Amino acid sequence: GENVEQHPSTLSVQEGDSAVIKCTYSDSASNYFPWYKQELGKRPQLIIDIRSNVGEKKDQRIAVTLNKTAKHFSLHITETQPEDSAVYFCAASISNYQLIWGAGTKLIIKP
Amino acid sequence: DGGITQSPKYLFRKEGQNVTLSCEQNLNHDAMYWYRQDPGQGLRLIYYSQIVNDFQKGDIAEGYSVSREKKESFPLTVTSAQKNPTAFYLCASNSGVAGNTIYFGEGSWLTVV
Repeated sequence: GENVEQHPSTLSVQEGDSAVIKCTYSDSASNYFPWYKQELGKRPQLIIDIRSNVGEKKDQRIAVTLNKTAKHFSLHITETQPEDSAVYFCAASISNYQLIWGAGTKLIIKP
Repeated sequence: DGGITQSPKYLFRKEGQNVTLSCEQNLNHDAMYWYRQDPGQGLRLIYYSQIVNDFQKGDIAEGYSVSREKKESFPLTVTSAQKNPTAFYLCASNSGVAGNTIYFGEGSWLTVV
């Protein structure tokens, strides 16, 4: 069946450095790829998304890139700050109504 | 985000008891979802509904039931058949149009005592 693989499962970076999280999807029909941030004990919140007709999207320190040929997309966070510490989930659409979720990446920002 | 209300935030269930988690949205969204999240794990889809009076099983529907009698409401019942229900339950909704954002409620913590 369809799946999304997310790597790494844990990422530790020095404050101020960049962080990159990668996801690979299997369904070639997927056309929507959101990224969610979840702080401990709270709900996931959308931080950025990208649609299949776009290769890259940026929002301040956050960017997402999409390679449809290779079926992978990545989240890039530059100039990391302590408040970036959280679990990040990627997802890929498999229909109008459903997303397939990655397993999550715990991002730790070291002071 | 503020348009999806889940209650209660914390719930304790005794063995053999059914409990119902409430989810209400005022975003006029057609589609609603229930996810289960175990500690340190990802999101697993329990049920989803695309329209009133219709719903579909997700990946882990066994031991759960839902109803969708009104557009704004999608309650989840955790039945006694669900042997390991302790988890964080998240309700979500979106418009159902391809590529539209899914918004989550604040979640409900269910613990078996």
